[in-house]
Amino acid sequence: SQQGEEDPQALSIQEGENATMNCSYKTSINNLQWYRQNSGRGLVHLILIRSNEREKHSGRLRVTLDTSKKSSSLLITASRAADTASYFCAICLGGDDKIIFGKGTRLHILP
Amino acid sequence: KAGVTQTPRYLIKTRGQQVTLSCSPISGHRSVSWYQQTPGQGLQFLFEYFSETQRNKGNFPGRFSGRQFSNSRSEMNVSTLELGDSALYLCASSGGQGPYEQYFGPGTRLTVT
Repeated sequence: SQQGEEDPQALSIQEGENATMNCSYKTSINNLQWYRQNSGRGLVHLILIRSNEREKHSGRLRVTLDTSKKSSSLLITASRAADTASYFCAICLGGDDKIIFGKGTRLHILP
Repeated sequence: KAGVTQTPRYLIKTRGQQVTLSCSPISGHRSVSWYQQTPGQGLQFLFEYFSETQRNKGNFPGRFSGRQFSNSRSEMNVSTLELGDSALYLCASSGGQGPYEQYFGPGTRLTVT
């Protein structure tokens, strides 16, 4: 399968803690993107990291990419109730730029 | 700018019928992609259009087709509906031809009975 695979499938943490989710893939990529989906707001783009980048930050989000291990991680620091959602990694395939989504990590922030 | 809009938001159809879904991208965006989302299979790529040309296609049967108009609006059509076509169909637009971030619409929830 070409799609990214997120790990874990589900994660529950206390509000204020950090949440880390991982994405592994098997093919060469142009970039890797993370998206968030909750029932109220649909799919929202969070961050894009290119294949020649190793780390990127956006607010409380930190994404790393290790192309040698074909893996990426998304760290959400100081989690809030509003972070409760499903998080998807999407790989942009090298060659045809097709974007393939993984099945997501369901994150639940406990009050 | 207005976001990506999809119509209709909800649809109930009967097996064997056909359906057309519509997507209006963000103004200025020329790339439109379609995805099918189900609990079992997750988000699956259907196809991508750029400047009225299909640029990429996923692994769906020929019953699924699409097109893009000169104003970048896109439609997808599913003929001879099957129960398994029940899903959330998401449209996403992107600002250019290339691996850019995508902006998603709210989706069309299709139920086939």
